[in-house]
Amino acid sequence: ETGVTQSPTHLIKTRGQQVTLRCSSQSGHNTVSWYQQALGQGPQFIFQYYREEENGRGNFPPRFSGLQFPNYSSELNVNALELDDSALYLCASSFRLATDTQYFGPGTRLTVL
Amino acid sequence: AQRVTQPEKLLSVFKGAPVELKCNYSYSGSPELFWYVQYSRQRLQLLLRHISRESIKGFTADLNKGETSFHLKKPFAQEEDSAMYYCALSERDDKIIFGKGTRLHILP
Repeated sequence: ETGVTQSPTHLIKTRGQQVTLRCSSQSGHNTVSWYQQALGQGPQFIFQYYREEENGRGNFPPRFSGLQFPNYSSELNVNALELDDSALYLCASSFRLATDTQYFGPGTRLTVL
Repeated sequence: AQRVTQPEKLLSVFKGAPVELKCNYSYSGSPELFWYVQYSRQRLQLLLRHISRESIKGFTADLNKGETSFHLKKPFAQEEDSAMYYCALSERDDKIIFGKGTRLHILP
């Protein structure tokens, strides 16, 4: 059984650019949730995908979008990057729903200059 | 709006002393509540959830709906308990709201 993996580990972008972050869910899990964690803060829910459909969204603008693929891996896309988008981005997979135990990945550290 | 408040950013406790990490929430319905923990250089992981009513690594948490609290307790702190602890709430099956976290530091 493999755990949740995320890529890349870290990256640096400039304002206005676009970025794609990737997440492979744990074997057997069909739900992926994405979180943004700013320095000194708790994770903030961005959205969740269940069987390739968006199944809930937090207070993030539409320039944050996502996809889930048939193998339940997922992407987070952020357009028109802003300085405040600098954060650790976490994904978590669960068997079915957000209230099932979530298994977190190591995160992707995004720095926007 | 739902909210999770952890009033202490840092809590220092001597080894062997009792630990209580506070968590208060605001939500009008029947939430599900969780404690997640992140040890140094490890991933965020679930510690316990209120519906399980179980003790994990000696920690327990009781949901008090009257006081809207879900404090995490352990009678005797151990050095390996040093970590970042997050209280979290879910109102439905589609999102979880985390508090800002409390860093627990166990003093030798």
